[in-house]
Amino acid sequence: SVLTQPPSVSGAPGQSVTISCTGSSSNLGANYDVHWYQQFPGTGPKLLIYGNNNRPSGVPDRFSGSKSDTSASLAITGLQAEDEADYYCQSYDSSLSASVFGGGTRLTVL
Amino acid sequence: QVQLQESGPGLVKPSQTLSLTCTVSGDSIGNYGHFWSWIRQHPGKGLEWIGYIYYSGSTYYNPSLKSRLDMSVETSKNQFSLKLRSVTAADTATYYCARGPPLAGAAAYDHWGQGTLVTVSS
Repeated sequence: SVLTQPPSVSGAPGQSVTISCTGSSSNLGANYDVHWYQQFPGTGPKLLIYGNNNRPSGVPDRFSGSKSDTSASLAITGLQAEDEADYYCQSYDSSLSASVFGGGTRLTVL
Repeated sequence: QVQLQESGPGLVKPSQTLSLTCTVSGDSIGNYGHFWSWIRQHPGKGLEWIGYIYYSGSTYYNPSLKSRLDMSVETSKNQFSLKLRSVTAADTATYYCARGPPLAGAAAYDHWGQGTLVTVSS
């Protein structure tokens, strides 16, 4: 994938985890926004963070996003069992002229 | 609230055309505020942007699929459609329709359908 994510992360209930998303000078480094999605098995993705660090209505403030140069991160605090899902970052790549996604990160709540 | 629902055959033969329709409720495709998109997910894999269309019919396609792709919109039915020609097994995936990106603001996909699995096999 054009955007690189770790395949998996894990944490115990109540702990915090961070999911990274690494891009390049033609996407995150070109100042394109990053967005994050949460996906449960068998369902469509849900927008979790847009425009680097904004939460849609209804998304708990336990979820936060940040971006710096060619990297972005999704932080989840106070982990809950219901957070166990796949998480994807997304941006735009000017050299590909395409919207691009990360490969996804599976979050396991221990 | 905004809802999207994909429909179409779940099985397509190799070399034929994959055709899907997305029906939108809770918003009007003719509302100039958003593009309307198709995104797919190969089994057990990540997400791949296919393309998006505006209510006027303007389209933006993934260059890797552009030569085989057609998208259209029917505002009277509040639907938009996807046709992918000359399919192979590599086109087997779950296909999602989504609202976005918006004409202004963050270029995210804010509402998604449940997805429909399309298998390419003889």
